[in-house]
Amino acid sequence: SQQGEEDPQALSIQEGENATMNCSYKTSINNLQWYRQNSGRGLVHLILIRSNEREKHSGRLRVTLDTSKKSSSLLITASRAADTASYFCATDPSGTYSGAGSYQLTFGKGTKLSVIP
Amino acid sequence: NAGVTQTPKFQVLKTGQSMTLQCAQDMNHEYMSWYRQDPGMGLRLIHYSVGAGITDQGEVPNGYNVSRSTTEDFPLRLLSAAPSQTSVYFCASSYGQEGTEAFFGQGTRLTVV
Repeated sequence: SQQGEEDPQALSIQEGENATMNCSYKTSINNLQWYRQNSGRGLVHLILIRSNEREKHSGRLRVTLDTSKKSSSLLITASRAADTASYFCATDPSGTYSGAGSYQLTFGKGTKLSVIP
Repeated sequence: NAGVTQTPKFQVLKTGQSMTLQCAQDMNHEYMSWYRQDPGMGLRLIHYSVGAGITDQGEVPNGYNVSRSTTEDFPLRLLSAAPSQTSVYFCASSYGQEGTEAFFGQGTRLTVV
């Protein structure tokens, strides 16, 4: 079953505005990752936050993680038309093979972001 | 550096036919996975492998078979295609270390009629 659930399902903003997407999940995790998917393309990794981290930045991206609430948020600041895409959170579960990598990700249904020039 | 390569990009099958979706990676990644993406469903894990000769089932394994004879290749076989297997299939690979991301191929769009 889908573990992650993104909110909202769709988001439309003007260029230059900030975009915030939320993700909730159900079970214990090693880390949570955000991916972007342009229409008809594969997924591209954006950022990873470990379960013992609360906030992480990468360029215009800011991710927060609240393990007590089992939730995460992705903030894209100063959005651009090129940010138009679907964004997915994915959880890497704990309790898997030692030295586990991202082979057993559980994805949410995604947020479709449209940035209007 | 090609990354993860999937072939074919598009395929139409008739119900009952079998086929193999190919996936190859050139990054020497230990872990490889197959996902399917349906409209409104996100990605769901079909099968995965943590090394050559080691495979296991994911969330939706029925109707699919995998093997991993080399580190580079991880083919996905549809045994007897059904319309419910119409989907976009993605292969992914990653290093065998916690905290590393997955690299995805460009996908195979499969239609079963």
